[in-house]
Amino acid sequence: NAGVMQNPRHLVRRRGQEARLRCSPMKGHSHVYWYRQLPEEGLKFMVYLQKENIIDESGMPKERFSAEFPKEGPSILRIQQVVRGDSAAYFCASSSGQDYGYTFGSGTRLTVV
Amino acid sequence: RKEVEQDPGPFNVPEGATVAFNCTYSNSASQSFFWYRQDCRKEPKLLMSVYSSGNEDGRFTAQLNRASQYISLLIRDSKLSDSATYLCVVTGSSNTGKLIFGQGTTLQVKP
Repeated sequence: NAGVMQNPRHLVRRRGQEARLRCSPMKGHSHVYWYRQLPEEGLKFMVYLQKENIIDESGMPKERFSAEFPKEGPSILRIQQVVRGDSAAYFCASSSGQDYGYTFGSGTRLTVV
Repeated sequence: RKEVEQDPGPFNVPEGATVAFNCTYSNSASQSFFWYRQDCRKEPKLLMSVYSSGNEDGRFTAQLNRASQYISLLIRDSKLSDSATYLCVVTGSSNTGKLIFGQGTTLQVKP
């Protein structure tokens, strides 16, 4: 049981480039959540997905950010035209949906230069 | 007003001390409550769930007061390894499993 796998662990992008963050949930988990943690702040909910469906995207910025969880493969959080303010740790969590038994991945630290 | 409010600290305590953290939340419709622990630059990990009846796990005791919308965590006999940031977490009002995190309270246990 490999747990929730996120990659890359660290990602450096220049302003204006695209960032793609990947998350493979725990085996048997079909619910994926993305959170963002800015420096010196708590985690902020971004989006909740099940396979091929976005259930709640109330925390996603209206522009440049998108997420998907295809039938096959990992969940992807995509940030287009990155800006310095996107620099943060992005955590993915998965659950079976039966309770709030989340498992978090180790996160992707995005640095925009 | 933040949905979950915590004193960021830091709390600096000697080994063996008892320390208490408090947290308030704004959404009376929240159903589930947790304390998570986050070590520096690591992912948050569930420390314990919080129930109105209070619950204890070894040196850790958590308490929920729904009327006051107040959650507490008590750590007895602090260890150096308890040094971390403690996150107060509540569920959102919709039944989607979304978690609302507080900013966290930093604890530093000194020898």
